Amino acid sequence: NAGVTQTPKFRILKIGQSMTLQCTQDMNHNYMYWYRQDPGMGLKLIYYSVGAGITDKGEVPNGYNVSRSTTEDFPLRLELAAPSQTSVYFCASSHTRTGLNTEAFFGQGTRLTVV
Amino acid sequence: AQSVTQLDSQVPVFEEAPVELRCNYSSSVSVYLFWYVQYPNQGLQLLLKYLSGSTLVKGINGFEAEFNKSQTSFHLRKPSVHISDTAEYFCAGKVLSDSGNTGKLIFGQGTTLQVKP
Repeated sequence: NAGVTQTPKFRILKIGQSMTLQCTQDMNHNYMYWYRQDPGMGLKLIYYSVGAGITDKGEVPNGYNVSRSTTEDFPLRLELAAPSQTSVYFCASSHTRTGLNTEAFFGQGTRLTVV
Repeated sequence: AQSVTQLDSQVPVFEEAPVELRCNYSSSVSVYLFWYVQYPNQGLQLLLKYLSGSTLVKGINGFEAEFNKSQTSFHLRKPSVHISDTAEYFCAGKVLSDSGNTGKLIFGQGTTLQVKP
């Protein structure tokens, strides 16, 4: 029972490089989320998706892009990495329908450093 | 504005003492409220949740929280803490729109609980 799986766990990028953080879930959840966690700032929502083909901006979307072509996958793209994107990134998923709201289940995180 | 606010960034407490971690939410946040715990270098784990019903919610590891609609609060409590409770705790809530629950989940800034021997 894998839950939410993120890859890679660690990555060092140079300024201006691009990369994709992968996230997949096997719980058939309709909602998926990307957060970044910085010390003392809690978790900030980057993007979220309510289902395949539908995405929306969160609190801090600048510098990131997402897509949701399947229910299972929700990759996060950094096009031009900047030092300000050094952070720990978490992917999460939840099941949300009328009358049924589950908690969000989280992956183990990706620690990204931009140098 | 949509917000979940944790009123204390750090809470030091001695082992076996009671503790309360405070959380307030704005009116644009729904009553679907959650507390998560994060141990060092790990992901987030659900402690408890409030979706409806009884305002006193019991969770794992002896934690409980009370939903107070009039004060828009969802404080977390434990009557006697252990060293192993040292961790960061996050309050979270789902955001409402005019048409209802958006499913958008936002977090407070986190509270570091430091349990001392």
